[in-house]
Amino acid sequence: EVQLVESGGGSVQPGGSLRLSCAASGFTFSRYRMHWVRQVPGKGLVWVSRINSDESSTTYADSVKGRFTISRDNAKNTLYLQMNSLRAEDTAVYYCSRDVAWSFDYWGQGALVTVFS
Amino acid sequence: QSALTQPPSASGSPGQSVTISCTGTSSDVGGYNYVSWYQQHPGKAPKLMIYEVNKRPSGVPDRFSGSKSGNTASLTVSGLQAEDEADYYCSSYAGSNNFVFGTGTKVTVL
Repeated sequence: EVQLVESGGGSVQPGGSLRLSCAASGFTFSRYRMHWVRQVPGKGLVWVSRINSDESSTTYADSVKGRFTISRDNAKNTLYLQMNSLRAEDTAVYYCSRDVAWSFDYWGQGALVTVFS
Repeated sequence: QSALTQPPSASGSPGQSVTISCTGTSSDVGGYNYVSWYQQHPGKAPKLMIYEVNKRPSGVPDRFSGSKSGNTASLTVSGLQAEDEADYYCSSYAGSNNFVFGTGTKVTVL
């Protein structure tokens, strides 16, 4: 059974940093592109970032470019999102998701990040 | 990258059909056959319902179907059931390894 489990969410002040992790199991993690998607509670889904299977390529939404870094450790079956210079508008539930055919076929349960002053 | 445009709400009685539109541009929806649709119940993670415009993952009922014409994609739910009441989001590949989601549509089963 495919499982994605996020961790590392929490509360932080503006300008602070957090690192989210996404532990993958039930599939060969190293063969799949992975994504982070976020959702402000009560609002819509927003794509954040993508990394290809061997970490050779990453892309970011303009809203997080230069502040967030996506990475992965295929030996540990884990995806990461390092979030720096956090802003109030980064407050959201962050989901990790697996990419198949340029769609998001499995999702984690989400990790809540709250940026407050 | 601007969000794809969806109607805020749609509704239908049990057994009826409802169709949700998803309008983008030639740089996303119109440029690629990589449109997907997601169902999200309150407090839950999204679930993939349609990928590559009109393909259903294993386990998704054939009441769910997708199509595309030009810069607009559509999701049709036939034979509406109470459990279909949820938020629905479209997504499209937007080139250069970028992606965009729709604004979301709340489907109500009357």
